[in-house]
Amino acid sequence: SQTIHQWPATLVQPVGSPLSLECTVEGTSNPNLYWYRQAAGRGLQLLFYSVGIGQISSEVPQNLSASRPQDRQFILSSKKLLLSDSGFYLCAWSVLGRDYEQYFGPGTRLTVT
Amino acid sequence: DQQVKQNSPSLSVQEGRISILNCDYTNSMFDYFLWYKKYPAEGPTFLISISSIKDKNEDGRFTVFLNKSAKHLSLHIVPSQPGDSAVYFCAAYLYTGGFKTIFGAGTRLFVKA
Repeated sequence: SQTIHQWPATLVQPVGSPLSLECTVEGTSNPNLYWYRQAAGRGLQLLFYSVGIGQISSEVPQNLSASRPQDRQFILSSKKLLLSDSGFYLCAWSVLGRDYEQYFGPGTRLTVT
Repeated sequence: DQQVKQNSPSLSVQEGRISILNCDYTNSMFDYFLWYKKYPAEGPTFLISISSIKDKNEDGRFTVFLNKSAKHLSLHIVPSQPGDSAVYFCAAYLYTGGFKTIFGAGTRLFVKA
C-alpha cells in the first residue's frame, strides 16, 4: 500500500532563517506531488505541484520554492522565512489520470517567530 | 476570489441522524468535486468524489449530490457516528494545462452521542 511521510511534524523557526521540509511517498511510482498550506481557519492553498523529477509548477508567487530531486521525494524550501509563512504545510500525491483524488501526508506545523 | 464556499463553519448533529454538509461553487468548468475529512493535526483524508457529469455518487454511509444548475453540492452522512466528528473540506478540481484543486474553508461537524 502507498504511504506518505512528512517531517518534521512541528517546527519553530525565527524570521530570516532558512526552511527545508521533506516529503516522501512509498508504494507508488511516478506520482504527481503537491505542496499545500493551510492558514488558520482557512482552506488549503496549493503552493506547488510536480509531475516528474525536476519539474515544478508554482501556483502562488511567494517566499518559498520546491524541488523534486527524486521520483518520490518533494522538498519545500525557503532562504529567509517571513512571519506570514507560518501555517500548516501539507504534502500530497496523486496517481496520473486520477489527479483529482489526492492523498495527504500528516503535515508540518510551522511557526515563524 | 472564493470559487468554492462552505458557508457553515460548524454543524452539530445527533448520533444516528443525517448530517448534511453544503458547498457552493462559482466556476461551471470544474471537472470533479471532492470531499475530504480532516482530524486536528493530521492531513485531510479523501472521502468521496463526483464527476461533473454525474448528479449523485454513493459510498457506504456517504453520498454526494451535485446540482449543476445551482452550482451546489452536498455531502450526506447517514447514519452519523461520533467518529465522524471532524472538519470536512469541499474541493473542486479543474485541469487547464495544470492541476488546480480549490478547497473551501471547511465545516466542522460535531456528532453528539
